[in-house]
Amino acid sequence: EAGVVQSPRYKIIEKKQPVAFWCNPISGHNTLYWYRQNLGQGPELLIRYENEEAVDDSQLPKDRFSAERLKGVDSTLKIQPAELGDSAVYLCASSFSSGEQFFGPGTRLTVL
Amino acid sequence: GENVEQHPSTLSVQEGDSAVIKCTYSDSASNYFPWYKQELGKGPQLIIDIRSNVGEKKDQRIAVTLNKTAKHFSLHITETQPEDSAVYFCAGGGYNKLIFGAGTRLAVHP
Repeated sequence: EAGVVQSPRYKIIEKKQPVAFWCNPISGHNTLYWYRQNLGQGPELLIRYENEEAVDDSQLPKDRFSAERLKGVDSTLKIQPAELGDSAVYLCASSFSSGEQFFGPGTRLTVL
Repeated sequence: GENVEQHPSTLSVQEGDSAVIKCTYSDSASNYFPWYKQELGKGPQLIIDIRSNVGEKKDQRIAVTLNKTAKHFSLHITETQPEDSAVYFCAGGGYNKLIFGAGTRLAVHP
């Protein structure tokens, strides 16, 4: 069974530029999570989707971050404009309802 | 909200020794406590979890204990092997809302 797929794996951009991350969850998983992991820290939840509905986006910085999961499968997380402090690993995870969360390999973002 | 603290931040052991990582949590409503292993360049992988109605759970060389009264839980790895070297994260909360600790970097020396 294929795991959670994320792309790109690495991204380097200059500050104020936009950036987007893509996630394809495990087939059949209706719940999708986006996390941010700063260097030397644990993952922090940004947003959780149940199918195509964002049910918890309380930690998403909505002035510059946006996310979508239009058909309840793939998801995209966008940052516009990026700031230096956004440098981190962005992790996507999926689960079947309230089951075990399976994480993807992450996208390492560097903002210069 | 929930706050999870994890200790130690780094742990170095000799192959064959045991390793113990401890976490405390603040929200008494938390009912799910997973442990994840993260290797370099990879996402976290669940290694064991425990629910609030259970005090201890074991899976081969790995065990987790939970003390709800004291609000702390621990990961025990016995007979450590070099391939156990990684960063380990505890987490607490509910299935859909996990708060992660800051991680423990475990090094197992041959």
